[in-house]
Amino acid sequence: ETGVTQSPTHLIKTRGQQVTLRCSSQSGHNTVSWYQQALGQGPQFIFQYYREEENGRGNFPPRFSGLQFPNYSSELNVNALELDDSALYLCAGRGRGGTDTQYFGPGTRLTVL
Amino acid sequence: GIQVEQSPPDLILQEGANSTLRCNFSDSVNNLQWFHQNPWGQLINLFYIPSGTKQNGRLSATTVATERYSLLYISSSQTTDSGVYFCAVDYSGNTPLVFGKGTRLSVIA
Repeated sequence: ETGVTQSPTHLIKTRGQQVTLRCSSQSGHNTVSWYQQALGQGPQFIFQYYREEENGRGNFPPRFSGLQFPNYSSELNVNALELDDSALYLCAGRGRGGTDTQYFGPGTRLTVL
Repeated sequence: GIQVEQSPPDLILQEGANSTLRCNFSDSVNNLQWFHQNPWGQLINLFYIPSGTKQNGRLSATTVATERYSLLYISSSQTTDSGVYFCAVDYSGNTPLVFGKGTRLSVIA
């Protein structure tokens, strides 16, 4: 049990649309990170939030944006979807028990047609 | 940035066999984690092991931080061990994990 949940599990969108993915992590995960995993690749860092502020960003364009809320939940928003955005999106919580261990949710598989 | 290389990229084993997966990293790290990704995409934590040796059942891991590598040992492999194994590292507690490309393990009955 990682203490991190994500919704929805699967999603199909068309090119140009916007999408919001959600993540809920249990109390103590004060840092939330989002990763994109393309087929056959390792996860790539998108951005992370610490106490509701973005404090790190990977090599992703501004149409990828996010929020973290006081209840430890988080959102990833992607605007103007492109075909290459099709991937598994993973949310991770860190900070529980004062350790640096990251715990991942089950992911949202996004397909862009 | 830090580079993470995993080997071998693919591994096929007969059930009951043992295996060793390797992770090399290019710089000093704060955190090193091994994950098993199941067919549904869930990343399952195996070890948090920035240095030293740990064991959990049939799995064990060793990280030699001074030589910048980590090894994951799987003994008496089972079909349920199949999946992709990832090594991931970070520089500090505030930096993101950098993943290797993974080792795809297939255990055949």
